[in-house]
Amino acid sequence: SFDLTQPLSVSVALGQTARISCVGNYIGINSVHWYQQKPGQSPILVIHTDNKRPSGIPERLSGSKSGNTATLTISRVEAGDEADYYCQVWDISAGLFGTGTKVTVL
Amino acid sequence: EVQLLESGGGLVQPGGSLRLSCVASEFTFSNHAMAWVRQAPGKGLEWVSGISDAGARTYYADSVKGRFTISRDNPKNTLYMQLDSLRVEDTAVYYCARDLPGFDVWGQGTTVTVSS
Repeated sequence: SFDLTQPLSVSVALGQTARISCVGNYIGINSVHWYQQKPGQSPILVIHTDNKRPSGIPERLSGSKSGNTATLTISRVEAGDEADYYCQVWDISAGLFGTGTKVTVL
Repeated sequence: EVQLLESGGGLVQPGGSLRLSCVASEFTFSNHAMAWVRQAPGKGLEWVSGISDAGARTYYADSVKGRFTISRDNPKNTLYMQLDSLRVEDTAVYYCARDLPGFDVWGQGTTVTVSS
């Protein structure tokens, strides 16, 4: 099966760097997208096509990929970064979201 | 402002049907693939279905294949999802999203509750 596995939670101190992994077969050959979702809100696209930032997304957020692992990095973490984050891949005939990671800012 | 507005959710009994709609505004709807994504209470995001820009190609998650039907009316800037043979586990907030690729525009969601 084609699954995307993320850590359940990541805790990070204010001003430090958070890294969220997304592991799955075929990540290496498919574009990976990342979404941020705050409670009660619709998701927001924060990274598309592995490492591209949509307009309005701060440079503190970046995406990378190596082998079967994609990583979302949030530098200089702010209180407003506290949210759930999901990776996502479109594979020929189906979309798939990762299991989701809750980022807590300490 | 680029916007998607869903409607059509509600409370339905198991085995029942609903039709969701998503009206797009302030962008050329016919130029974009679209998708439905759902989120069960307290759970993560689940891709449900996608459709190509002209509507010729449709895709479904295994969990809804044969029960849900995605369609679109480009002159009306509207995306649809027909939900049939609904199950308790279909209870969720249903979002429509523009597929850029990457879902770059989302609606506010419409809630579907399947319960007896």
